Amino acid sequence: SQKIEQNSEALNIQEGKTATLTCNYTNYSPAYLQWYRQDPGRGPVFLLLIRENEKEKRKERLKVTFDTTLKQSLFHITASQPADSATYLCALDWWSGGGADGLTFGKGTHLIIQP
Amino acid sequence: NAGVTQTPKFQVLKTGQSMTLQCAQDMNHNSMYWYRQDPGMGLRLIYYSASEGTTDKGEVPNGYNVSRLNKREFSLRLESAAPSQTSVYFCASSEAGTSGSENEQYFGPGTRLTVT
Repeated sequence: SQKIEQNSEALNIQEGKTATLTCNYTNYSPAYLQWYRQDPGRGPVFLLLIRENEKEKRKERLKVTFDTTLKQSLFHITASQPADSATYLCALDWWSGGGADGLTFGKGTHLIIQP
Repeated sequence: NAGVTQTPKFQVLKTGQSMTLQCAQDMNHNSMYWYRQDPGMGLRLIYYSASEGTTDKGEVPNGYNVSRLNKREFSLRLESAAPSQTSVYFCASSEAGTSGSENEQYFGPGTRLTVT
C-alpha cells in the first residue's frame, strides 16, 4: 500500500528564516501532490497543488517542489512568521481528470516559528 | 459564501446508538468527501461522491453509510456507533468532475464525535 512520510517531530524555526518541510512517499507517483495547512480545532486549508510534470510552484512566500525520481516533495516557507505556526499536511492526489478522487494524506508536520 | 458547513460540531454517543452527520457546500462543487482524523493516523477517506446519486467507498468505510441527497448535501450515518468510531470527522468538496478543474479540496470545520 502507498505510504507517505512527513517529519513526525515538531519543526522549530526562528522567525525570518526559511522553513523546509519534507514529504516522502513509496510506490507509485501521483498525478498531483497537494499541501494543506491545519490549525488546532479547524479543518485543513488548501495551500498549493503541483503536477507531476512540474518541478516547482510558488505562491507568495510559499514554494513547493516535486521530484518523482526521489519520490519527494519539499515545502518551503520563506521569511517565516509566528503566524505560520501550524500543522502542514502533504496529500497524494491520483485524480485523472474525471470524477472525484479522495486524497491520501500524510500525518503532518507541526511547524513552530519562534519570535 | 459559507463554504462547507457541518453539523453538529460536537456529539457524544453511547455504544450502539445511531446518528447522522450533515454536510453542505454552497460552491456548486460536483465532488464531496468524508474523512476521519485520528491522532497519529492522519486523515483517512471514508466515502466519497463524484456527483449527485453516486457514492464510492474509501479506505475505511466499515461501519458507515452515506447519502448524496442533492448536489449540495452529503451525509454520513453511523448505524450502530462503536468506541473505535471516536474521531474528528471532516467533510470536503472539490470541483473535480468539472471541465478545467483541479482536485483541490475545501474542508468543513469538523464534527468531534465521542462514543462511550
